[in-house]
Amino acid sequence: AQKVTQAQTEISVVEKEDVTLDCVYETRDTTYYLFWYKQPPSGELVFLIRRNSFDEQNEISGRYSWNFQKSTSSFNFTITASQVVDSAVYFCALSTETSYDKVIFGPGTSLSVIP
Amino acid sequence: EAGVTQFPSHSVIEKGQTVTLRCDPISGHDNLYWYRRVMGKEIKFLLHFVKESKQDESGMPNNRFLAERTGGTYSTLKVQPAELEDSGVYFCASSLGGHTEAFFGQGTRLTVV
Repeated sequence: AQKVTQAQTEISVVEKEDVTLDCVYETRDTTYYLFWYKQPPSGELVFLIRRNSFDEQNEISGRYSWNFQKSTSSFNFTITASQVVDSAVYFCALSTETSYDKVIFGPGTSLSVIP
Repeated sequence: EAGVTQFPSHSVIEKGQTVTLRCDPISGHDNLYWYRRVMGKEIKFLLHFVKESKQDESGMPNNRFLAERTGGTYSTLKVQPAELEDSGVYFCASSLGGHTEAFFGQGTRLTVV
């Protein structure tokens, strides 16, 4: 069975603080993709990153960074020097070779950045 | 190249009415998916088309929901009759298939009053 867990339901940080959003996934497939999406208050889904199971290199994009560790089945997301505009719900997601690209979402973490 | 587009972006209807949501996938994408996020909960899969055929409709909540994809191009999702608990954001996604990335539309925010 495939599953994504985001243990943090809500997080509040003060602007300029760093924050890490946790994601743990479950799958028996050896080929899979992991994603992070952002859903701001306006409602749309904003794609942030896609990672395949064979690439464990960490990635940095501006203030965003991702730590993929297959040994712990985790794909954590860190925002450095958070800003008010980062306030949103963040979803970690998984798609596997056997799921025909169907994306399985975690429950989401609601991040509030306080000025 | 145009992305996945959804119409309307917002819809407010009364309980008991009918609403039809439309999704235009990226041209050439055989795979089309519907998802929804209701009441601030998680995003749930509804169904998956491969061309005009329903590959997986295990996530459809009940028979008030009807999805079609005639001709294998755009898709519609009809809710009839709408209930209060159907309020949420409905997302459509499309992919080429063969374990490629799925691209999401901007969503349709449905409010049932």
